Amino acid sequence: DIQMTQSPSTLSASVGDRVTITCRASQSISKSLNWYQHKPAKAPKVLIYAASNLQSGVPSRFSGSGSGTDFTLTISSLQPDDSATYYCQQGYVTPVTFGGGTKVEI
Amino acid sequence: QLQLVESGGGLVKPGGTLRLSCAASGFTFDDYYMTWIRQAPGKGLEWLCQITSSGKTQYYAESVKGRFTISRDNAKSLLYLQMNSLGVEETAIYYCARLQKYQLLLYMDVWGKGTTVTVSS
Repeated sequence: DIQMTQSPSTLSASVGDRVTITCRASQSISKSLNWYQHKPAKAPKVLIYAASNLQSGVPSRFSGSGSGTDFTLTISSLQPDDSATYYCQQGYVTPVTFGGGTKVEI
Repeated sequence: QLQLVESGGGLVKPGGTLRLSCAASGFTFDDYYMTWIRQAPGKGLEWLCQITSSGKTQYYAESVKGRFTISRDNAKSLLYLQMNSLGVEETAIYYCARLQKYQLLLYMDVWGKGTTVTVSS
């Protein structure tokens, strides 16, 4: 199985900060990488698919980059509503695997 | 609007069985692959299984292969997860999600709010 490693596991930042979350795959996955936001007691929500494509309706302060094994999710100006846990997920092969998550505290 | 609603969760004894359902609305159900994901308390997201749009092919995580069965009724827009031989470590919130295709990639673009399964004696 492909292992997905996220860092950091927890991140504390202020409103307006630029925030970057890193995800590393244990082998190359091309651009088959998706990012999700998950808030407690809510359904997870896709933010970015195929490494850099912004899902419809997602604010433009979210962006993704990377290919191969190294990927980043960037929030350009952190907002109070962005307090959540963020997961990367590889869709290159089955079984689909998720990173361990990054909790963003504001 | 697009909606997925899970049901069927509850308290079950170790070794027991449970069947979860996921009702889809707002889209053409049989156009999409579907998947089940779970989150144990204090843990991250874990992919369990997925099924093709016709229902003919299923894929499973090793952790549930042989015990869980994913199926669907396209006429009723329903997705199912039959879970057998449940262990206490499978206490979790279980989510169904729609799989969207982008080129060769699938991603989960619509999620339900989840149903809670508690495995305890």
